[in-house]
Amino acid sequence: EAGVTQSPTHLIKTRGQQATLRCSPISGHTSVYWYQQALGLGLQFLLWYDEGEERNRGNFPPRFSGRQFPNYSSELNVNALELEDSALYLCASSLAPAGAHTGELFFGEGSRLTVL
Amino acid sequence: AQSVAQPEDQVNVAEGNPLTVKCTYSVSGNPYLFWYVQYPNRGLQFLLKYITGDNLVKGSYGFEAEFNKSQTSFHLKKPSALVSDSALYFCAVRDTYNTDKLIFGTGTRLQVFP
Repeated sequence: EAGVTQSPTHLIKTRGQQATLRCSPISGHTSVYWYQQALGLGLQFLLWYDEGEERNRGNFPPRFSGRQFPNYSSELNVNALELEDSALYLCASSLAPAGAHTGELFFGEGSRLTVL
Repeated sequence: AQSVAQPEDQVNVAEGNPLTVKCTYSVSGNPYLFWYVQYPNRGLQFLLKYITGDNLVKGSYGFEAEFNKSQTSFHLKKPSALVSDSALYFCAVRDTYNTDKLIFGTGTRLQVFP
């Protein structure tokens, strides 16, 4: 069974441009989470989608947005890119929201965004 | 504020020796605690979790973690380290107020020397 897949693996943009990152969850998983992993900051929660709806977002500006499609895949958009947006963006999926008793997230390998 | 702290940026241990990676937490109510591991150029992998019950939790790859409520700690342990255990380890806690998200620590890099 395929795990969580993310694309592209690497993306290089310049300041002010827009970046789009994509994620396909494990088959049957309806919840998709996005995390930002910047150097030295650990993982910062970005967004959570479940059943096509945005359920929660972290402390990030509105230029970070996304959506979840009917097939449960998801897209993260970052507008007006800034240098500090350079990071590894990780997508995770779960069978149920992390509030369920398992709380086990399955992560993809990430998309590394570099902003020049 | 709810948080997780991993006080050590890096832990070095010789192969065959026991290892401990430290984690302390601060949450309201009963904590749901997790450990994840990240190998180079890979995503995070779930290792183990504590929800309730026995304070000693066993997980993947021979790892275990001990929940200590009085010390608000959830340290990761392994009796005998392997070079292949070298990776970045993250402790996480479920957000009590937003139970759909996990709060991660900043990570501890474990280096096991042959």
